[in-house]
Amino acid sequence: DAGVIQSPRHEVTEMGQEVTLRCKPISGHNSLFWYRQTMMRGLELLIYFNNNVPIDDSGMPEDRFSAKMPNASFSTLKIQPSEPRDSAVYFCASSYEQGFEQYFGPGTRLTVT
Amino acid sequence: GDSVTQMEGPVTLSEEAFLTINCTYTATGYPSLFWYVQYPGEGLQLLLKATKADDKGSNKGFEATYRKETTSFHLEKGSVQVSDSAVYFCADGGSNYKLTFGKGTLLTVNP
Repeated sequence: DAGVIQSPRHEVTEMGQEVTLRCKPISGHNSLFWYRQTMMRGLELLIYFNNNVPIDDSGMPEDRFSAKMPNASFSTLKIQPSEPRDSAVYFCASSYEQGFEQYFGPGTRLTVT
Repeated sequence: GDSVTQMEGPVTLSEEAFLTINCTYTATGYPSLFWYVQYPGEGLQLLLKATKADDKGSNKGFEATYRKETTSFHLEKGSVQVSDSAVYFCADGGSNYKLTFGKGTLLTVNP
């Protein structure tokens, strides 16, 4: 299995630009999670999907952040407009069922200047 | 809500030393428990897990035992290697859909 695939691996953008991060979960997994990791705040859960439906987006920092999962094999996390404080590593993870172990992608390192 | 508390790092050891990283959880019931490892520049990888009380998870020389009576899941390794240098995260699956992670413990092993 290819594991969770994320793209791009690195993204550098200027403040105010739109950023789209992409994730392909492991085939057969029905739960997908977006996390953000920073030195200051550690690992934060942003949003969780189950069977392509957003279940809990309480971790999304503000309206500038949005996430979609149009089908079982693809999800996006969009930031519009981006700000320097959004700089972080963003991870996507998937799991077979709710509460089961999650498998993480390699992450996207976002730098907003 | 659920919380996971793990010992704060950083932890610095010499090669072949014994490692213990403490972890306690607050989830009620019988959550599954996990240890993840994050190597520099990579995502989190599942290291080991235990799904019920008294279970022992093990992998790559690491072990952790699910202790219901002390709500703990301490990570141990008898002889660490330089290649074990990483950040270690404890997590519980107490909530109905998500994992609750500890803050992570940075381990550095010197030759």
